[in-house]
Amino acid sequence: GAGVSQSPSNKVTEKGKDVELRCDPISGHTALYWYRQSLGQGLEFLIYFQGNSAPDKSGLPSDRFSAERTGGSVSTLTIQRTQQEDSAVYLCASSLTPGSEQYFGPGTRLTVT
Amino acid sequence: RKEVEQDPGPFNVPEGATVAFNCTYSNSASQSFFWYRQDCRKEPKLLMSVYSSGNEDGRFTAQLNRASQYISLLIRDSKLSDSATYLCVVNRDSWGKLQFGAGTQVVVTP
Repeated sequence: GAGVSQSPSNKVTEKGKDVELRCDPISGHTALYWYRQSLGQGLEFLIYFQGNSAPDKSGLPSDRFSAERTGGSVSTLTIQRTQQEDSAVYLCASSLTPGSEQYFGPGTRLTVT
Repeated sequence: RKEVEQDPGPFNVPEGATVAFNCTYSNSASQSFFWYRQDCRKEPKLLMSVYSSGNEDGRFTAQLNRASQYISLLIRDSKLSDSATYLCVVNRDSWGKLQFGAGTQVVVTP
């Protein structure tokens, strides 16, 4: 069946521009998670959605980062006024229920020049 | 101290050999445990969940030791395709906020 999909797969942007990253979770999965992984580093939790609500936004690095989820499905992560330190792979995962196994999308590789 | 700690390796393993490595976690209230594998420049893929009584999936065996707060992964009859980074993952919240270890690199050589 279809897995988690993310778009774009690669994004190069200039410092100061805004970017939007999209995640389509596995159909029927109620929980959705955003992580990021910098080169050679481990995964860093950003935000979690249960349905359309985000009970935990504690991992968002700054107020330049925001995310929303609509219809209990697609989620968008927005980074405003991008900085070079935002360069990373942004990974989305979904799970059937909170706490069950999470399945990852292929990620969006963001490069801020 | 990191919440989840792993030996980064690399573990260099001859094809056909057995390799095992551990991961320790700091939060005794952690509820569920997983092993993921991550290939270079790819997303993490779930390898297996880890159950209290230990569990096996083909050549892979996972164990959980709650008293000492570690989990282990053993790979038997290693294949070249087992070369990857193995991520220890701990869920300490009921809603699934995963804590990832930095990974253990395994390199299987012919």
